[in-house]
Amino acid sequence: KQEVTQIPAALSVPEGENLVLNCSFTDSAIYNLQWFRQDPGKGLTSLLLIQSSQREQTSGRLNASLDKSSGRSTLYIAASQPGDSATYLCAVSNDYKLSFGAGTTVTVRA
Amino acid sequence: GAGVSQSPSNKVTEKGKDVELRCDPISGHTALYWYRQSLGQGLEFLIYFQGNSAPDKSGLPSDRFSAERTGGSVSTLTIQRTQQEDSAVYLCASSLAVGNRANVLTFGAGSRLTVL
Repeated sequence: KQEVTQIPAALSVPEGENLVLNCSFTDSAIYNLQWFRQDPGKGLTSLLLIQSSQREQTSGRLNASLDKSSGRSTLYIAASQPGDSATYLCAVSNDYKLSFGAGTTVTVRA
Repeated sequence: GAGVSQSPSNKVTEKGKDVELRCDPISGHTALYWYRQSLGQGLEFLIYFQGNSAPDKSGLPSDRFSAERTGGSVSTLTIQRTQQEDSAVYLCASSLAVGNRANVLTFGAGSRLTVL
């Protein structure tokens, strides 16, 4: 069974600092890895998807890396803003099923 | 539609009652998924549909849970004889297809179920 762990569980930083969120998974036989953002009371918004053959993906201030052999991914958010405050979820896919981590709740202080 | 629509957004029911949760996926998306997000439990997979077929129902917690999809579009998740432990946010997602490594899921806002 795929186990996904996210560290830290919570993070509070001043505006402008870079954020580093970690995700690890136990079974490296994955199709892809996705990072989602969830705002309180809302659904999930897909931020980045990294296919199993890829090493990283970038979108604006966001960069995600994937090391499939070691079962790790890192999400970097550059120059954080208060609007980045949310819960960030990592999910790995084995074709049709996503296995989610418990998330990292980020607070960016103005 | 432009996004995945779920209804109701909030549902409060009494223990023992049946509830139906509806999901309207993005037009043209053949794959549809149901997940449950419970407090302290994280997100768990319930079921997925490819067209109107549900190849994997293994995530449904008990036989009180069932789901169907008609016309390759709208899906309904039904919970019979609700229990307090069914209280959660039920999230629906859709995607173009299954089995594609570039498969991005689009989630709805969820249906929050509270069983008193």
